[in-house]
Amino acid sequence: DIQMTQSPSSLSASVGDRVTITCRASQSISSYLNWYQQRPGNAPNLLIYAASTLQSGVPSRFSGSGSGTDFTLTISSLQPEDFATYYCQQNYDTLFTFGPGTKVDFK
Amino acid sequence: QIALKESGPTLVKPTQTLTLTCTLSGFSISSYRVAVGWIRQSPGKALEWLALIYWNDDKRYRSSLKSRLTITKDTSKNEVVLTMTNMDPLDTATYYCVNRLITPMGAYDAFDMWGQGTMVTVSS
Repeated sequence: DIQMTQSPSSLSASVGDRVTITCRASQSISSYLNWYQQRPGNAPNLLIYAASTLQSGVPSRFSGSGSGTDFTLTISSLQPEDFATYYCQQNYDTLFTFGPGTKVDFK
Repeated sequence: QIALKESGPTLVKPTQTLTLTCTLSGFSISSYRVAVGWIRQSPGKALEWLALIYWNDDKRYRSSLKSRLTITKDTSKNEVVLTMTNMDPLDTATYYCVNRLITPMGAYDAFDMWGQGTMVTVSS
């Protein structure tokens, strides 16, 4: 099974900060990698698919990069509504494994 | 307006069978490339994909739970049903119904529409 890890598990940041979250797959998954945002009490929201394609309606401050085993989600200028937990998910195989999440909170 | 809504029991006893229904609106489960699935999240934990059913009745299951899961679709009601047998307290979670992303370029196995989720507690 493909295992997904994320780092850091949590981070503290301020509004306006540039934030980078890393996701790593236990084997190559090409660009079959998606990112989700989950605010407390809400269902997750798809941000990026195919490693770098911004989902419709998602602000352009979000970007994704990477291929193979290493991927990055970047928030260029953190906004108050971005304080949430972020998950990566692989769809290289049909286990659709999620990473453990990265919680972004106020510094 | 595309929407998915989960329904089912909030409390089940250990060893019982859970049946959850996802009612779709704004799109049809029988439309080309559509796929609807289930993802769960135990309290304070990460997301766990469970099952997916495609428009052509192809099905995929989480391998570790495959013996306990069944996903079906009712095209007349535009619903997707998940059953999970032999429920255990460790199955306590919020269960989400999700829809696969379809773009002008094609379908992609990311989940762009989510229901609000339904919390299921397993306890005697």
